[in-house]
Amino acid sequence: AQKITQTQPGMFVQEKEAVTLDCTYDTSDQSYGLFWYKQPSSGEMIFLIYQGSYDEQNATEGRYSLNFQKARKSANLVISASQLGDSAMYFCAMREANTGFQKLVFGTGTRLLVSP
Amino acid sequence: KAGVTQTPRYLIKTRGQQVTLSCSPISGHRSVSWYQQTPGQGLQFLFEYFSETQRNKGNFPGRFSGRQFSNSRSEMNVSTLELGDSALYLCASSPIAGGSYEQYFGPGTRLTVT
Repeated sequence: AQKITQTQPGMFVQEKEAVTLDCTYDTSDQSYGLFWYKQPSSGEMIFLIYQGSYDEQNATEGRYSLNFQKARKSANLVISASQLGDSAMYFCAMREANTGFQKLVFGTGTRLLVSP
Repeated sequence: KAGVTQTPRYLIKTRGQQVTLSCSPISGHRSVSWYQQTPGQGLQFLFEYFSETQRNKGNFPGRFSGRQFSNSRSEMNVSTLELGDSALYLCASSPIAGGSYEQYFGPGTRLTVT
């Protein structure tokens, strides 16, 4: 069974600094996708970045980058130049890529607080 | 392009009652998934619909059911509500089933069972 582990319940960072949110995963599948979502206090899940298991390069989307280390089964999110609006819950998630199903397995999340 | 919409946004029900939540996916999206989010259990997959067919189901009791209409709009129903059903219910839509597309989530329906 797939499992996502986020070991940091909370993280603090000062504005304009970079921060890394940890995510490790466990799966026996060869083909899978890894996602990061942001959830502000409003509740909506906002897609940030995606990494496929066969992608050779780390994914980047603006200030977000995903540090994908396949052998270590880790998919850490790096946020560069943090902004106050980045304060939110962040979830790492995984999806099997071969089944055609959309089911996501989520980690427990990390609450990020950005201070001025 | 309008995003995923969910109605109602907030709902208060009493134990034993039933509830129906609605989700309208992004225009053109045919896959709709539902998730339950609670402080204790986190985010858990409920079910996925594609072209009016349930394709996948999570580990929830039969009190939780859903359906999808020909216009891809989806509803989920919870019968005989229990206190533990209090949660944020999130709906997500995708253009197709499978593939590398992200899922676009709606704002959620916050259900409180008293």
